[in-house]
Amino acid sequence: QKEVEQNSGPLSVPEGAIASLNCTYSDRGSQSFFWYRQYSGKSPELIMSIYSNGDKEDGRFTAQLNKASQYVSLLIRDSQPSDSATYLCAVNGGNEKLTFGTGTKLTIIP
Amino acid sequence: EPEVTQTPSHQVTQMGQEVILRCVPISNHLYFYWYRQILGQKVEFLVSFYNNEISEKSEIFDDQFSVERPDGSNFTLKIRSTKLEDSAMYFCASSESRYNQPQHFGDGTRLSIL
Repeated sequence: QKEVEQNSGPLSVPEGAIASLNCTYSDRGSQSFFWYRQYSGKSPELIMSIYSNGDKEDGRFTAQLNKASQYVSLLIRDSQPSDSATYLCAVNGGNEKLTFGTGTKLTIIP
Repeated sequence: EPEVTQTPSHQVTQMGQEVILRCVPISNHLYFYWYRQILGQKVEFLVSFYNNEISEKSEIFDDQFSVERPDGSNFTLKIRSTKLEDSAMYFCASSESRYNQPQHFGDGTRLSIL
């Protein structure tokens, strides 16, 4: 059974600080990794995709991938109240489906 | 920005009834997916569809489920005889190509089985 694990939180971060979200996956053959943001009652919204080891930056978001450790993370700099949401890690193992973690609920405290 | 659209946003159905959920994928995308999310649980893959046939399905996607692309734009999920445990959010997604590509999700249909 291919698993994606996330700390469910809640994770509380002061406004303006850095939020750090983590994800581990069990399938060593996984090839692509995605972070989605999901507001309560809404659909997953793609934030970042990462395919190779290292860091990938997009605005205030940085995704980090370490395939040897089977670890993906998302950093959110200068956190804003609008960043309060559940962040879903999703992994693709070279087939067609995404395997999702349970998500980490992030709350930004003004 | 192009988006995946789903209708209806909320469907209430009696147990045992058939239900059809509809999706219009992003126009230049060729790969289509259905996922579901039971309240408070993780997003789960149901099925993927390409070139008018199912390319992969999960254990959840049993004989009660079917998918169809009835025309050039719509993609549907049918549940033949609904059960209480089918109550969930159902998300349609699409992607440009098959493997390792971002999947873009619609707003979802909330299905409530009474």
